[in-house]
Amino acid sequence: DTEVTQTPKHLVMGMTNKKSLKCEQHMGHRAMYWYKQKAKKPPELMFVYSYEKLSINESVPSRFSPECPNSSLLNLHLHALQPEDSALYLCASSQVYFRAPLQGRLSGANVLTFGAGSRLTVL
Amino acid sequence: KNEVEQSPQNLTAQEGEFITINCSYSVGISALHWLQQHPGGGIVSLFMLSSGKKKHGRLIATINIQEKHSSLHITASHPRDSAVYICAVRTGETSGSRLTFGEGTQLTVNP
Repeated sequence: DTEVTQTPKHLVMGMTNKKSLKCEQHMGHRAMYWYKQKAKKPPELMFVYSYEKLSINESVPSRFSPECPNSSLLNLHLHALQPEDSALYLCASSQVYFRAPLQGRLSGANVLTFGAGSRLTVL
Repeated sequence: KNEVEQSPQNLTAQEGEFITINCSYSVGISALHWLQQHPGGGIVSLFMLSSGKKKHGRLIATINIQEKHSSLHITASHPRDSAVYICAVRTGETSGSRLTFGEGTQLTVNP
């Protein structure tokens, strides 16, 4: 299995709803990421989990709450979102979060595998 | 000025043409990625490189560290190559490491 699976593919929610996005990989990767992507813009990093611990939170509002229950799963819990939060939410994974290249050689451990994304619309 | 600049922003080609997409960056990096994003969202990692040149099928990626510049070439382009191509650079050390993305190049290959 060489994929990152995201569910649901599409989600429409109201501003008072509570919902979750899910991400799963079975490649043995120990780093998992959430990105947010607005139309015609590059992805923006939200969170990084390394060995199931939160390593990076890019000052994301608390209405987004990540959770990494085990090394294969990454959730993004959504509550009291705003219409401007509508976007494509991309999950990615890599073998490790970061491994510095040794003697000029790249570590393939940093290559990201992306999921297909969950398209969120907040009404 | 963005740390990662791509050109062109949009590119339309006829099937069979040789295509070049350029990426320039202004920071020190440990690696540069080329990514492909199809309509609907899914992103595929094409290459990761820190020096020289890599080839995979009809795709070739080159990087010149001194000039802080990378190119992605597509030979014998095909309509299925139509996608957004994104250059991303890895900066920072250990826990501060980040991918910084370019704005992407929208490629359309017409039959």
